[in-house]
Order: sequence, then structure tokens, then C-alpha cells
Amino acid sequence: QSALTQPASVSGSPGQSITISCTGTSSDVGGYNFVSWYQQYPGKAPKLIIFDVSNRPSGISNRFSGSRSGNTASLTISGLQAEDEADYYCISYTSASTLRVFGGGTKLTVL
Amino acid sequence: EVQLVESGGGLVQPGGSLRLSCAASGFTFSNHPMHWVRQAPGKGLEYVSAINSKGVNTYYANSVKGRFTISRDNSKNTLFLQMGSLRPEDMGVYYCARVGYDSGSIQYYYDYWGQGALVTVSS
Repeated sequence: QSALTQPASVSGSPGQSITISCTGTSSDVGGYNFVSWYQQYPGKAPKLIIFDVSNRPSGISNRFSGSRSGNTASLTISGLQAEDEADYYCISYTSASTLRVFGGGTKLTVL
Repeated sequence: EVQLVESGGGLVQPGGSLRLSCAASGFTFSNHPMHWVRQAPGKGLEYVSAINSKGVNTYYANSVKGRFTISRDNSKNTLFLQMGSLRPEDMGVYYCARVGYDSGSIQYYYDYWGQGALVTVSS
């Protein structure tokens, strides 16, 4: 069982928006501005798409956005495109000795 | 260009040992903490271990504590993971991941990942 809770799957049609949640505790998601999101295609390494809750690295589409409310962080993808079909993971800094906690991942299907 | 290239993966029997390496290039390796993250077949990402930029402080997931050892050689720009007492549940792709470093401050995200090294534990 992962330390951060994500839905196993979400789906949406092209052009729609979807949101993926990532729920933790006050020791991780809710306590620090250090939630990041990663996109992973099958057989490929993960790629950073959001850092520090809501910041986008250079080159990442502004269709990707991040937010947080309490102990739950969220990734929103607007204007869904077929190429967005992938697995998405949230990762947070934690005050625990492991330093990081991971979400279980969410499979996004573009219908 | 930042590159992280893992090597050392392979087939090992339960109880055996394996040493993974991650060769870094294209950046000042000694500025960045480094982590190992693994992914079992068909499963999600899992934190394994971390090491600070100077190699002094190390951290481990409970599942590998006492069996795995992380280390680094900043003179050779290389990260290591010595894995012992391997179990079938340790099987998967092992990624080295660079922790961001900006304007003299360590960040809290992974900005670059290697392509992964496959570890198979089976008799």
C-alpha cells in the first residue's frame, strides 16, 4: 500500500479536463510545498511535469497544472489529447526518515 | 546534456547480490543528492534509497534497510546501489534519479531519471 493515495484510473475524452488527486498527511503533502508530479509512458522513465505543488518545468505544456488543498494535491490536465494517455505519479517530501513518499500511480485513458 | 546511465542489472538467484551503477554526465554531480527508485513489473514507482551530495548521509526504505547500501564516488561521477539478500519482491526496473539543485539550494523533485536497469530475482 502506497503512502500517498491516488485513484487507480481516470479517463476523459479529447478536449475535456481531468483531475487526479493525491492524498497524504500533514507530515508530507499538507505540511510542505514539495509535491511533484511525473508522467510515465510504458517502458519509459518518468518525466517531471509539476514541481513544488504548482510549478511547471520549462517545456511542459500549460495544459498541466497543480494545486493543493489541505492534505490533498491535485493534477489537472485540460484540453485532453491522445498523447496524454500515460501513468501519473505524485511524490512528496516527508518528514519521515525515508525523505520521500510516493503515490501508487494513476492510469489516464483518453477515450 | 544531462545523462544518467544505469548498469549492472541482470538475473540473480534469491539470496544473491548485485551491484548497480549509475554513471552521470553533463552536470556537476557533486552538487546533487541522488536517489534510487524501483518499479516492479506492472506496478508503481517505489522509493528505495537516497544519498546526499557529499555521500555522508544515506536513507533507505524499510523494505531494503539492512540489505541494500547506497554510495557514490564524486570523483568518478557515479552512484552505486549494492543489493544483498535479494528476494523475488526486489525484482523490477531500478532507476537512478537526480534531485534538483538551483541557485545553491537543494530542491525536492527529481528533474532527471536514468533509463533504468532491470533486476530479475529467480531461481
